[in-house]
Amino acid sequence: QVQLVQSGAEVKKPGASVKVSCKASGYTFTSYDINWVRQATGQGLEWMGWMNPNSGNTGYAQKFQGRVTMTRNTSISTAYMELSSLRSEDTAVYYCARGVYGDSNFDYWGQGTLVTVSS
Amino acid sequence: DVVMTQSPLSLPVTLGQPASISCRSSQSLVYSDGNTYLNWFQQRPGQSPRRLIYKVSNRDSGVPDRFSGSGSGTDFTLKISRVEAEDVGVYYCMQGTHWPLLITFGQGTRLEIK
Repeated sequence: QVQLVQSGAEVKKPGASVKVSCKASGYTFTSYDINWVRQATGQGLEWMGWMNPNSGNTGYAQKFQGRVTMTRNTSISTAYMELSSLRSEDTAVYYCARGVYGDSNFDYWGQGTLVTVSS
Repeated sequence: DVVMTQSPLSLPVTLGQPASISCRSSQSLVYSDGNTYLNWFQQRPGQSPRRLIYKVSNRDSGVPDRFSGSGSGTDFTLKISRVEAEDVGVYYCMQGTHWPLLITFGQGTRLEIK
């Protein structure tokens, strides 16, 4: 069965960077794009961007351009999202989700990774 | 920007009664391939979002048939024919038509049992 398993919770200081991983299993990793979506406590869902694991091509929401980098390691079927220059407003649960186009868009989600930014 | 506006934002419903959530987009969601990439998600307390409906009206595997999606262009609706206790949570619409530039979610509608 399709699974996306994310790395554990992180606590970071303002100005630091965080890198969250998303390990895929149960399907061919390079056949589906990966999205990253975040959710601040008690708030709605916010799309951050996508990555094509086959080509490495990425697209980022304008809000995060310059601060976010999405990469992958195809040998271990894992996608990564790195967010830099962290501020308190980046405290949120970060999700990866499979697929961005066609019938499989956003059909499977990871369990989420809580990133807390605090001095 | 493509803005997705949901209403109501809070929806108290009696068990066994129907519920309806509206989602309106600021631009047409019809893609160049003729499809409309409008999804509905359910997020139960403490859980990740779960996709219920894709491309306006297609129900995902395992989703009860009391959930249905409809609409076109800029106006969309999620209906629950008879609300059950397990339906409590927040419901989001999402447009994927304007990818790769932008994917946007509605603000969410919190469904609770009266």
